[in-house]
Amino acid sequence: QVQLVQSGAEVKKPGASVRVSCKTSDYTFTSYSISWVRQAPGQGLEWMGWIHTYNGDTNYAQKLQGRVTMTTDTSTNTAYMELRSLMSDDTAIYYCARGGGLGGSFDSWGQGTLVTVSS
Amino acid sequence: EIVLTQSPGTLSLSPGERATLSCRASQSVSSTYLAWYQQKPGQAPRLLIYGASSRATGIPDRFSGSGSGTDFTLTITRLEPADFAVYYCQLYVNSPPTWTFGQGTKVEIK
Repeated sequence: QVQLVQSGAEVKKPGASVRVSCKTSDYTFTSYSISWVRQAPGQGLEWMGWIHTYNGDTNYAQKLQGRVTMTTDTSTNTAYMELRSLMSDDTAIYYCARGGGLGGSFDSWGQGTLVTVSS
Repeated sequence: EIVLTQSPGTLSLSPGERATLSCRASQSVSSTYLAWYQQKPGQAPRLLIYGASSRATGIPDRFSGSGSGTDFTLTITRLEPADFAVYYCQLYVNSPPTWTFGQGTKVEIK
């Protein structure tokens, strides 16, 4: 059964950085892309960016350009999302999701990682 | 940038009733890349429909999707208690790969 297991909750101060991991299992990691999606408290889903796990190509949402970096480690089948210069508006649950098949949809999701930005 | 607008914001229905959720795109899009998700409180979203009308694995047939161009619909026939949740539509656009979500429709118990 496909699994995406994310790292635990984080509390960060404004201006700091956070790195969230997404360890995958039970499928060929490089055959599917990974996207990151976040959800602020009580709000909807916001796509943050995408990484092609085979060649490392990325595309980030325009509003996060310059602050976000997505990477992968194919030796451990793990994806990472780093967000820098954190602001209170970055407080959200961050999800990784598997894509690349089924018309671009995300067919498996991580359990989510709560990132709280507070002074 | 294509914007997806979902309506209504909230749908108040009783178990056994039919739910009709709308997703409208700001310009014509390929139905191949239109998906629907269900999200329950405290849970990650779950893929329901891809390609506008194909059910994902394990999704019961009371869920159906339709539409083309700018107007897409998710229909839930005979609502069950487990179906009360928030539903999102999503669009994928290539070159470069970009995804957009609608703002969501909450289906609540009346």
